[in-house]
Amino acid sequence: GAVVSQHPSRVICKSGTSVKIECRSLDFQATTMFWYRQFPKQSLMLMATSNEGSKATYEQGVEKDKFLINHASLTLSTLTVTSAHPEDSSFYICSANHRVGNTGELFFGEGSRLTVL
Amino acid sequence: GDSVTQMEGPVTLSEEAFLTINCTYTATGYPSLFWYVQYPGEGLQLLLKATKADDKGSNKGFEATYRKETTSFHLEKGSVQVSDSAVYFCALSDSNYQLIWGAGTKLIIKP
Repeated sequence: GAVVSQHPSRVICKSGTSVKIECRSLDFQATTMFWYRQFPKQSLMLMATSNEGSKATYEQGVEKDKFLINHASLTLSTLTVTSAHPEDSSFYICSANHRVGNTGELFFGEGSRLTVL
Repeated sequence: GDSVTQMEGPVTLSEEAFLTINCTYTATGYPSLFWYVQYPGEGLQLLLKATKADDKGSNKGFEATYRKETTSFHLEKGSVQVSDSAVYFCALSDSNYQLIWGAGTKLIIKP
């Protein structure tokens, strides 16, 4: 149980276009989803926290107008990279909060590798 | 604020060698501690966890003990395999269920 699916796993786009990444919790409801960005040889960087039905909370330094997050239902959150540029190329990972035994465990999607040409 | 520090990689070992990846943390309160693993081309997955002091998490031959006195959660395995080659992340979970991550340690196992 507790499976999180991310789509697409890989996407290549031209500079200036927008890309949408979906994160779905397949067998549970996720009131909170987190979006991370991973740079080579660096740790995961939390971008934003997404709560169902409300605006996402962005971490300092993350442009909310560039990284649009929508959490329309308890099983789906989307990240849209608007007007993508080569420096946006990265690995984006989502996770969902499934409160199992109050341990704070999160479940992760497979990640989406974005390459902007 | 809370933080996690883990040893830099890459760590290169021969098959059947003993593995230790160090992880120390700073936190207020009593966080839960985790090791996540990312195999090549795959997403993150939980390897093991510990929720209170002196707890030992274990999975797939890996172990880590929650040491409050040394604020550590070192990952160990007695005999590594080539299939263990991956990036390992140490993390803690604060009261808000957000994860604070270490930088990750790439492990390379040579046959």
